[in-house]
Amino acid sequence: AQTVTQSQPEMSVQEAETVTLSCTYDTSENNYYLFWYKQPPSRQMILVIRQEAYKQQNATENRFSVNFQKAAKSFSLKISDSQLGDTAMYFCAFMKPNNNDMRFGAGTRLTVKP
Amino acid sequence: GAGVSQTPSNKVTEKGKYVELRCDPISGHTALYWYRQSLGQGPEFLIYFQGTGAADDSGLPNDRFFAVRPEGSVSTLKIQRTERGDSAVYLCASSSTLNTGELFFGEGSRLTVL
Repeated sequence: AQTVTQSQPEMSVQEAETVTLSCTYDTSENNYYLFWYKQPPSRQMILVIRQEAYKQQNATENRFSVNFQKAAKSFSLKISDSQLGDTAMYFCAFMKPNNNDMRFGAGTRLTVKP
Repeated sequence: GAGVSQTPSNKVTEKGKYVELRCDPISGHTALYWYRQSLGQGPEFLIYFQGTGAADDSGLPNDRFFAVRPEGSVSTLKIQRTERGDSAVYLCASSSTLNTGELFFGEGSRLTVL
């Protein structure tokens, strides 16, 4: 079974600064997908960024980037130039290709302070 | 509709009662998922539909939980003889393909069992 671990229950960052959220996972698979989802107080989960395990290049989406270390099974999220609207719960998730059981970590509550 | 719609947004019921939660996925999305999110936790997989059939129901906690999707669009999650431990936010998501992994979530139905 795949497990996803987020070791930081809460994080805070000053507006405009950079913050990194950690995620590790456990799997025996060689190919899979990794995701970071954002859940604001409205409860709706929104995809932030996605990484395919067979791609060595780290995914980037505007201010959001990942540091994917396949051998270490680590998938951290870096948020640059943090904005107040980034305040939310962030969930790391894992999924095998052609498998629809997406596994989520317990989440990290991020607060961006003005 | 433009997004995944879930009703009711909030449901309060008494222990032992029967509850139905509805999910209307994005039009054209063949895959539909139900997750349960307890307070302070990440979403927990319950069941996945591909079209009308339940392709994977391994996450349903017991036989009090059942879900249907008779016409391959709207899905209903049914909980019989509710217990206080069933209190959670029930999230529905849909997706258009198997391999991209991006799930589009609704805002969830918060169930409170008194």
